[in-house]
Amino acid sequence: DTEVTQTPKHLVMGMTNKKSLKCEQHMGHRAMYWYKQKAKKPPELMFVYSYEKLSINESVPSRFSPECPNSSLLNLHLHALQPEDSALYLCASSQGVSGRAANTGELFFGEGSRLTVL
Amino acid sequence: AQSVTQLDSQVPVFEEAPVELRCNYSSSVSVYLFWYVQYPNQGLQLLLKYLSGSTLVESINGFEAEFNKSQTSFHLRKPSVHISDTAEYFCAVSGRHAGGTSYGKLTFGQGTILTVHP
Repeated sequence: DTEVTQTPKHLVMGMTNKKSLKCEQHMGHRAMYWYKQKAKKPPELMFVYSYEKLSINESVPSRFSPECPNSSLLNLHLHALQPEDSALYLCASSQGVSGRAANTGELFFGEGSRLTVL
Repeated sequence: AQSVTQLDSQVPVFEEAPVELRCNYSSSVSVYLFWYVQYPNQGLQLLLKYLSGSTLVESINGFEAEFNKSQTSFHLRKPSVHISDTAEYFCAVSGRHAGGTSYGKLTFGQGTILTVHP
């Protein structure tokens, strides 16, 4: 069982829709991540939040908008997506800057949200 | 910067045979090393990690990996595989950044699909 929960598991949306992906963790972690994974490819980092502040944006298009309302929650708002944005979106967390795990890169992943853009 | 090379994109084996999934990395700084496993339509699960100490690390389900600093490798092995080991395996590395970033940023290899045949 994963301790990082993502909803919804599946999402189909049109190019004009606005939707959101949600992620929640209750491990007390202070860093949270969004990754995008295309079929048969490794995950690609999109965003990193550390202590609820955006610390890394890997040049992601503005049609993806992350939000971290508190240390347990991470959202990814989607608007005007393209079909090529269809992918598995993975949320992950790590202990954060205060723990040793923060310096190791050990991430805890959710099951992912599979997005299809029509 | 770090990079990870997984030398085999696909490895087919028969049940109860031994297997080795190869991983080489390059980095200009100290690294931590990980193997993640991804079962079909699921997120990534940590299989094992090397942080420090003994260069041979083991997982609870019979996998082991050995950190070889001189060869910059972290190959994954299992002496006898099961059908249930069929999955994609990602080698990943995290390094300390010169800027002092204290949270890990994982660099993934391209993945190796392990298929275990009866």
